Amino acid sequence: ETGVTQTPRHLVMGMTNKKSLKCEQHLGHNAMYWYKQSAKKPLELMFVYNFKEQTENNSVPSRFSPECPNSSHLFLHLHTLQPEDSALYLCASSQDYGSTDTQYFGPGTRLTVL
Amino acid sequence: GQNIDQPTEMTATEGAIVQINCTYQTSGFNGLFWYQQHAGEAPTFLSYNVLDGLEEKGRFSSFLSRSKGYSYLLLKELQMKDSASYLCAVRDSNDQLIWGAGTKLIIKP
Repeated sequence: ETGVTQTPRHLVMGMTNKKSLKCEQHLGHNAMYWYKQSAKKPLELMFVYNFKEQTENNSVPSRFSPECPNSSHLFLHLHTLQPEDSALYLCASSQDYGSTDTQYFGPGTRLTVL
Repeated sequence: GQNIDQPTEMTATEGAIVQINCTYQTSGFNGLFWYQQHAGEAPTFLSYNVLDGLEEKGRFSSFLSRSKGYSYLLLKELQMKDSASYLCAVRDSNDQLIWGAGTKLIIKP
């Protein structure tokens, strides 16, 4: 595997379910990101991890809970979501955070909340 | 507030040239990125401009004018596979990436 991978690619869940999104990067990068992409809206940065430490939390509701066990893996735990949380969730990585480094994206998880 | 503006949608003909504009108002400037995103796929890096001028990379070129808060992405010899969304993003003085909503480019035969 190369680059940034995400699983699952598609997820349908009810508002009472608990699920997790997984991201893995094979680029040796130190920073990882979660973004939310809604139709016709700019990418919304949710969380940033640098060297496994969370450096950004952009006022994301607590029903989204990130976890970064090591520099290569990033999870987004979901519980009691709302229909408006339906979106494409993208993971990205870069060599370091807070620099001009290019971010490399995974293919995303298309989430539908019923 | 910080803002990135780009057209929502553009249509062009195969073999032609198209220019996608991006204007920005941000707290400082540390570079501008263009990404391509095919439907259902990951955004992929196209170009990075930090100094004024034109950067050419094959059929794609990107231009920056910092004084005008303006950039464009120029696509030449359009191919059907160029149908995608093109995302403009600016890194501000806090190294935060500010994203535009993207321009959906439709290529017609």
